[in-house]
Amino acid sequence: DIQMTQSPSTLSASVGDRVTITCRASQSISSWLAWYQQKPGKAPKLLIYKASSLESGVPSRFSGSGSGTEFTLTISSLQPDDFATYYCQQYNSYFGPGTKVDIK
Amino acid sequence: QITLKESGPTLVKPTQTLTLTCTFSGFSLSTSGVGVGWIRQPPGKALEWLALIYWNDDKRYSPSLKSRLTITKDTSKNQVVLTMTNMDPVDTATYYCAHIHFTIRAFDIWGQGTMVTVSS
Repeated sequence: DIQMTQSPSTLSASVGDRVTITCRASQSISSWLAWYQQKPGKAPKLLIYKASSLESGVPSRFSGSGSGTEFTLTISSLQPDDFATYYCQQYNSYFGPGTKVDIK
Repeated sequence: QITLKESGPTLVKPTQTLTLTCTFSGFSLSTSGVGVGWIRQPPGKALEWLALIYWNDDKRYSPSLKSRLTITKDTSKNQVVLTMTNMDPVDTATYYCAHIHFTIRAFDIWGQGTMVTVSS
């Protein structure tokens, strides 16, 4: 099985900050990585697929990069609506443990 | 517009079999590339992928749960059914179904989820 890890597990940031979350796979998954945002009591929302493709309707302050085993999700300027938990997922299967972004 | 909705029991007893139904609209599971998956989330914990079925009846299961899971589709009813045998309290979670396309390998549209509690 391919294992997914994320760092950090929790991130405290302020509105306007640039935020970066890292996801690592235990073996190469090419570019088959997705990022999701989840708010309490809600279903996850797809942000990024194929490592760097922005899902339709997602603000351009979100971006993804990486390939192989290391990937990043970047929020260029954190907005109040962005405080949430973020998950990475390898191609249509395993999720990472999540990164909670909260208010500093 | 694609929508999905999960249905099933809210409470099951230990050792029982759970049957969940995902009823969807806005797409067909006979269309090339289309799939539906199941994901769960225990209270306060991370997402866990369970199973996935594609338009061509290709089925994928989480290796850790494979012996307990069965996923099937009924194209005429626009439904996907997940059964999980031998339920345990640790299986208490919100269960989601979601739409996927083979070309992006990501779940782009999710149902609202259904909470299942396992307790005697």
